[in-house]
Amino acid sequence: AQSVTQLDSQVPVFEEAPVELRCNYSSSVSVYLFWYVQYPNQGLQLLLKYLSGSTLVKGINGFEAEFNKSQTSFHLRKPSVHISDTAEYFCAVSVADDKIIFGKGTRLHILP
Amino acid sequence: GAVVSQHPSWVICKSGTSVKIECRSLDFQATTMFWYRQFPKQSLMLMATSNEGSKATYEQGVEKDKFLINHASLTLSTLTVTSAHPEDSSFYICSARDGRPGSYNEQFFGPGTRLTVL
Repeated sequence: AQSVTQLDSQVPVFEEAPVELRCNYSSSVSVYLFWYVQYPNQGLQLLLKYLSGSTLVKGINGFEAEFNKSQTSFHLRKPSVHISDTAEYFCAVSVADDKIIFGKGTRLHILP
Repeated sequence: GAVVSQHPSWVICKSGTSVKIECRSLDFQATTMFWYRQFPKQSLMLMATSNEGSKATYEQGVEKDKFLINHASLTLSTLTVTSAHPEDSSFYICSARDGRPGSYNEQFFGPGTRLTVL
């Protein structure tokens, strides 16, 4: 079975500073990896996904993530955050044609 | 493209009543839809997988007689919370799988339905 671990429940960061949200996964087979963002009282929006190919994946809103198979990680990064990035971020894993398993989420707090 | 809608966006009901939530894929056909539940400040927990024309597959611990799922068409799945109680109050989110070639079976999420049971 697959699982996802987001080590940080909350990450505070100053505006315009860089940020990294950590995600590790566990799976015995090849997986698809995702990062979703959820703004208050809203559904999920896909930030980026890794399906295959290049390990560096670029997404929307200036976010990127790097798939590291040896470390079973898929950390999310942004070089300079904005107040509008305040949200909950979920890392997720899926095996082809199977359900998506979500991590517990990381709340990103942008400090002025 | 790939838009998923949910209706209603929020609902308040009395304890003991039933509530139906609709999930629609607006611009693609979804043979599979998923229903999630999210408690405040927590992650999404998969409740069930809904396949068009067949019975839903429920996750362990989810009461299938309480959370009735119907997927009668390729664009509509419904979740009915029967005899709702205050502990059923939650944010319910659906997703629809895009099975078109090249879509990698990507799931698209609805905006969610906030249920409050008094």
